[in-house]
Amino acid sequence: DAGVIQSPRHEVTEMGQEVTLRCKPISGHNSLFWYRQTMMRGLELLIYFNNNVPIDDSGMPEDRFSAKMPNASFSTLKIQPSEPRDSAVYFCASREGFVATNEKLFFGSGTQLSVL
Amino acid sequence: AQSVTQPDIHITVSEGASLELRCNYSYGATPYLFWYVQSPGQGLQLLLKYFSGDTLVQGIKGFEAEFKRSQSSFNLRKPSVHWSDAAEYFCAVATNTGGFKTIFGAGTRLFVKA
Repeated sequence: DAGVIQSPRHEVTEMGQEVTLRCKPISGHNSLFWYRQTMMRGLELLIYFNNNVPIDDSGMPEDRFSAKMPNASFSTLKIQPSEPRDSAVYFCASREGFVATNEKLFFGSGTQLSVL
Repeated sequence: AQSVTQPDIHITVSEGASLELRCNYSYGATPYLFWYVQSPGQGLQLLLKYFSGDTLVQGIKGFEAEFKRSQSSFNLRKPSVHWSDAAEYFCAVATNTGGFKTIFGAGTRLFVKA
């Protein structure tokens, strides 16, 4: 298996532009998580899905952020409009089960976002 | 609400020396606890996990961690550090309430000096 695949690896954009981050989870995994990593705040959970349904989006910083999971093999995280303070590394992770939280997460390599 | 605290932002140890990284959690019931490691430019990789049974768990790369319920702690240890262990280490807790999510601590960056 190729693991969790994120694209792009790096994104540089200007303030006000729309940014879309993409994630392909491991085939057969039922849960998908979006995390944001910054020096100041560490690794923050933004939103997660079970069986393509958003369960908890309380970590999404504001209305500029939205996430979708139209099918079991694809998810997007969109920022519109983007701001410099959104600059961070965004990770996608998947987990095989949605009830068995003793199972580990598999992480993608992340998207380094820079908003100028 | 559950939370994870890693009190040390960074730690420096000499190669060959022992290591202990601290982790404290806050959760009402028995948590599922994890340690992950992140190498530069990479995603996180699981080192070990605890969810029941023996409170001393063994992981990959010679790491171990001990769950102490009375102290709400899950500290990571290694008897002899190698230069390749330099990375960032994250403690995490997963719960079966509120939707089965995994929460991470802020991380501890480990530096290894020769």
